[in-house]
Amino acid sequence: KQEVTQIPAALSVPEGENLVLNCSFTDSAIYNLQWFRQDPGKGLTSLLLIQSSQREQTSGRLNASLDKSSGRSTLYIAASQPGDSATYLCAADTDKLIFGTGTRLQVFP
Amino acid sequence: GAVVSQHPSWVICKSGTSVKIECRSLDFQATTMFWYRQFPKQSLMLMATSNEGSKATYEQGVEKDKFLINHASLTLSTLTVTSAHPEDSSFYICSASTIEGRQETQYFGPGTRLLVL
Repeated sequence: KQEVTQIPAALSVPEGENLVLNCSFTDSAIYNLQWFRQDPGKGLTSLLLIQSSQREQTSGRLNASLDKSSGRSTLYIAASQPGDSATYLCAADTDKLIFGTGTRLQVFP
Repeated sequence: GAVVSQHPSWVICKSGTSVKIECRSLDFQATTMFWYRQFPKQSLMLMATSNEGSKATYEQGVEKDKFLINHASLTLSTLTVTSAHPEDSSFYICSASTIEGRQETQYFGPGTRLLVL
């Protein structure tokens, strides 16, 4: 059974810092690994999707890497801004999306 | 871009009543729709998967008679919480998937917050 874990559970940083959010999964037989953003009381916004054959994906200040063999993915946020404050969820796609518990990020001015 | 809507965005009801939540794909036809539930400060948990015109597939531990799913068309799925109780209070999110190239992509709705008194 696939289990997805995210650390840290919460993070509070001053703006401008570079951040690393971690995601680990127990079953490496995944189709892809996805990162989402969720604002309080809102739905999900897709950030990045890494296919199982890929190592990383980049979008603007976001970079996500995938190491399938070790069951890990990281989301790197460069030069964080207060607008980045949200909960970040990773999800492993194994016929269905299995979500991690998320990292609540607060970036203060 | 692909947009998924949910209605209502929030609902408050009395214990014992039934509540229907709609999920629509606005600008694409969805091959499959998914229903998730999210308790406060917890992750999304898949409840069921539905395809148009067929019975939904429920995840283990989800009561199909309590959470009725109807997938009437390629753009509409409904979730009915029957005889709702306070423990059903949660954030319900749907998603709709479509094939883009060779990739199946899920697009998520904005969610419906249910409070059962």
